[in-house]
Amino acid sequence: GAGVSQTPSNKVTEKGKYVELRCDPISGHTALYWYRQSLGQGPEFLIYFQGTGAADDSGLPNDRFFAVRPEGSVSTLKIQRTERGDSAVYLCASSIGSWGGTEAFFGQGTRLTVV
Amino acid sequence: DAKTTQPPSMDCAEGRAANLPCNHSTISGNEYVYWYRQIHSQGPQYIIHGLKNNETNEMASLIITEDRKSSTLILPHATLRDTAVYYCIVRVADGGATNKLIFGTGTLLAVQP
Repeated sequence: GAGVSQTPSNKVTEKGKYVELRCDPISGHTALYWYRQSLGQGPEFLIYFQGTGAADDSGLPNDRFFAVRPEGSVSTLKIQRTERGDSAVYLCASSIGSWGGTEAFFGQGTRLTVV
Repeated sequence: DAKTTQPPSMDCAEGRAANLPCNHSTISGNEYVYWYRQIHSQGPQYIIHGLKNNETNEMASLIITEDRKSSTLILPHATLRDTAVYYCIVRVADGGATNKLIFGTGTLLAVQP
């Protein structure tokens, strides 16, 4: 497809379980971003990759959250020991480069519900 | 923290121009002004961005004041499909690690029939 693809679109999990959320960026985009969005709030930055490396992970809330991008394309956001407060929409975006004049394209998000 | 201030909500009549203001009084010389919008249950959508000059594309126009401390996004002929939350964001122009978009709470634009 031409856009950023996120799977699954919805995920329901039990408190304490481990989840993985996947992001397929636009082909050729070297920059990839993860955000999460709670109801009524703007997207909150989590982590930014430039290629395979995490250039900025300052938004990860704690060590239960981890993200990888091993080949510089697909990225996986991993959440261990999920808590009810982790329930949110997780958004992924990609852009062709990391300089400020480029636009980032967002996926439709994964809605995570922790019960 | 978001570096912009926007009104929480605005109304606009269908077919009229929608003018969405944004204050960014602490903007630095190397920061762009970006606008995104988010229609209910969708991911944010890029609209336009600019550095110093006014910009126009097929979606909107961006007017940036000469001192760059504020800007206005203009949707020339609003339709019901333009109902969304509009985010004004400042973003550094270099390729460094601080290149992330920082969203505030945006302006909910409600286009009325």
